[in-house]
Amino acid sequence: DTAVSQTPKYLVTQMGNDKSIKCEQNLGHDTMYWYKQDSKKFLKIMFSYNNKELIINETVPNRFSPKSPDKAHLNLHINSLELGDSAVYFCASSQAGTGGGQPQHFGDGTRLSIL
Amino acid sequence: GNSVTQMEGPVTLSEEAFLTINCTYTATGYPSLFWYVQYPGEGLQLLLKATKADDKGSNKGFEATYRKETTSFHLEKGSVQVSDSAVYFCALSDHLQGAQKLVFGQGTRLTINP
Repeated sequence: DTAVSQTPKYLVTQMGNDKSIKCEQNLGHDTMYWYKQDSKKFLKIMFSYNNKELIINETVPNRFSPKSPDKAHLNLHINSLELGDSAVYFCASSQAGTGGGQPQHFGDGTRLSIL
Repeated sequence: GNSVTQMEGPVTLSEEAFLTINCTYTATGYPSLFWYVQYPGEGLQLLLKATKADDKGSNKGFEATYRKETTSFHLEKGSVQVSDSAVYFCALSDHLQGAQKLVFGQGTRLTINP
C-alpha cells in the first residue's frame, strides 16, 4: 500500500548511457514532481506535472525528459548520462488545492551512480 | 527569487535536550512554510506546516511559528529522543497553476546521543 513508489531504488550505470526512473502514486493526487538531491543533501525541484500537463520546468539540461502517461505516473528519462548526474532523485505528489499549503508526499528515492 | 536559509549543521545533542533549528526565508507574497524530515535511506516526510502569519504548526512534540515580521519559521522541541535523529528541511512553497514549487533550505543533520 505504498503511497509514492519509485523504481529502481538503485541505478548504477556507465557514462553516456540512457536510463529511466519510474514513479507511481496511489493517492489520487493531481500533481507530481521530480526533485534532485545532491551529495550535500541539497534538494532542488526539476519538474512538475498537473493532470499530465507540464507546470514547472526548472533549468534542467534537455537530456532530462519527464513523461506523464496519466496523472498517477511520472517517469524521468535521462539521455547521455554524465558524472554530474549522480544524485538521489525523488518523486513526489500532492493534491492540487489552492494557496500552496498542500503537503507533498515523497517516494524513497532512486540513487543514481554514474561510473 | 525566493530562498530559505537554515542553521548550519550538523547538530548533536543529548537525549532530553531542548532543540532549536533556525530557519529564515525570503519571499515575495505570502508563502506557506513547511518542515520536512528525512530519516536515513528514506524520502522526505512532512513534519509540520503553517500557511499564514502567526500560525503555529505542531506534530510529534515539534513546533514552529510563522513569523512574518522576522521572516522566520524556527523548529523547536522541548525534549528530543534518539529516534529524532534525522535530516530536517525547512521549505516554502510558491503556488503555480495547480502545482507548488517547494524551495528548500540546505538541511540540518540532527544526531541525538543516548
